[in-house]
Amino acid sequence: KAGVTQTPRYLIKTRGQQVTLSCSPISGHRSVSWYQQTPGQGLQFLFEYFSETQRNKGNFPGRFSGRQFSNSRSEMNVSTLELGDSALYLCASSPGQSNTNEAFFGQGTRLTVV
Amino acid sequence: AQKITQTQPGMFVQEKEAVTLDCTYDTSDQSYGLFWYKQPSSGEMIFLIYQGSYDEQNATEGRYSLNFQKARKSANLVISASQLGDSAMYFCAMRDSTSGGYQKVTFGTGTKLQVIP
Repeated sequence: KAGVTQTPRYLIKTRGQQVTLSCSPISGHRSVSWYQQTPGQGLQFLFEYFSETQRNKGNFPGRFSGRQFSNSRSEMNVSTLELGDSALYLCASSPGQSNTNEAFFGQGTRLTVV
Repeated sequence: AQKITQTQPGMFVQEKEAVTLDCTYDTSDQSYGLFWYKQPSSGEMIFLIYQGSYDEQNATEGRYSLNFQKARKSANLVISASQLGDSAMYFCAMRDSTSGGYQKVTFGTGTKLQVIP
């Protein structure tokens, strides 16, 4: 059974550009969550998608957006990049929305904004 | 209030010894899940072990066990027979419901474990 796949693994962008990150969950999993990890802020929740609908959103500006497709794959978009957006972006896959569902993470996308 | 607290920023353990990483949590939900993840320097978040709030037995996965004390709201990770490859950051996390009724996972600040030969 394949794990969670995030692409690309590494990205370098310049300020003002936009970026799209992709996450393919484990087969059969319908919930995808996104997290930002920085040395200063730790792991912060961005948003969660379930059955193509955004179910929950963290405290991030509107420049951060996402979507989920019918095959449960999810994309995250960041527009007008800022230096502070440099981080490791992780996505997690769960079977559903139960609190007792396990959550499995991908390898992450390391974004560097210069 | 901090929902997940890991009070040990860093720890050392001798190879082949056991080590306990502390985690306390705070939630008003009756149904929640507790997780431990390992994050090596490569950045990948590796799932180690899971404990559901209704599970009466402590979870075990190979050399990992979770010491779940519900009344104390603690979920400590025990690694037996430490190996050099266990050197990494370890995160405790909890999945519960937000005030809006949605679920999300909250992470602690992590414990950096270093195994000494």
